[in-house]
Amino acid sequence: NAGVTQTPKFRILKIGQSMTLQCAQDMNHNYMYWYRQDPGMGLKLIYYSVGAGITDKGEVPNGYNVSRSTTEDFPLRLELAAPSQTSVYFCASSQGPGSNQPQHFGDGTRLSIL
Amino acid sequence: EDQVTQSPEALRLQEGESSSLNCSYTVSGLRGLFWYRQDPGKGPEFLFTLYSAGEEKEKERLKATLTKKESFLHITAPKPEDSATYLCAVQPYGSSNTGKLIFGQGTTLQVKP
Repeated sequence: NAGVTQTPKFRILKIGQSMTLQCAQDMNHNYMYWYRQDPGMGLKLIYYSVGAGITDKGEVPNGYNVSRSTTEDFPLRLELAAPSQTSVYFCASSQGPGSNQPQHFGDGTRLSIL
Repeated sequence: EDQVTQSPEALRLQEGESSSLNCSYTVSGLRGLFWYRQDPGKGPEFLFTLYSAGEEKEKERLKATLTKKESFLHITAPKPEDSATYLCAVQPYGSSNTGKLIFGQGTTLQVKP
């Protein structure tokens, strides 16, 4: 099993451009999450999904959008990229919401906006 | 407000020098406290879940403990391969249907040979 796969690994964008960060998992997990990690800060939740067709905002959703058309995929869309969105983005999935079902993470997308 | 604070921010140890990392939390009811390890350029890797005060879990040179206000990650006789950033996260009762976690900022551990 590949687990959680994120693409691309690195990307540089110009201010105002748009892009989609891809996340796919092959563990048949219903729950999926998008986080951003900034230096010296904890992981901050952007959006999450409890199943196909169901998404909701996390702590820092402004400037982002998500969709969940299948169980496997949970893409994160940046519209009108801004320098404040320079960060490392992590996708995670879990079998369920319980504390006995830990989240499994991909290796991240490193995004710079210049 | 639910909050997680980790200390120290960075820790340098000599190989074999045991120490502890701290995770203090304020949460409206704790469903679980998680420890993750993160290597440079990689995503967090799950280590432990603790559920109630007094609980302990061990894995190789790592032992995690939990009280009502904090958790410790004890590292016994560390080796250079234990160098990583260790993240602590809590799941409040209010997140029981969503699985949402609140993360601390992490402790970066460097073990020198």
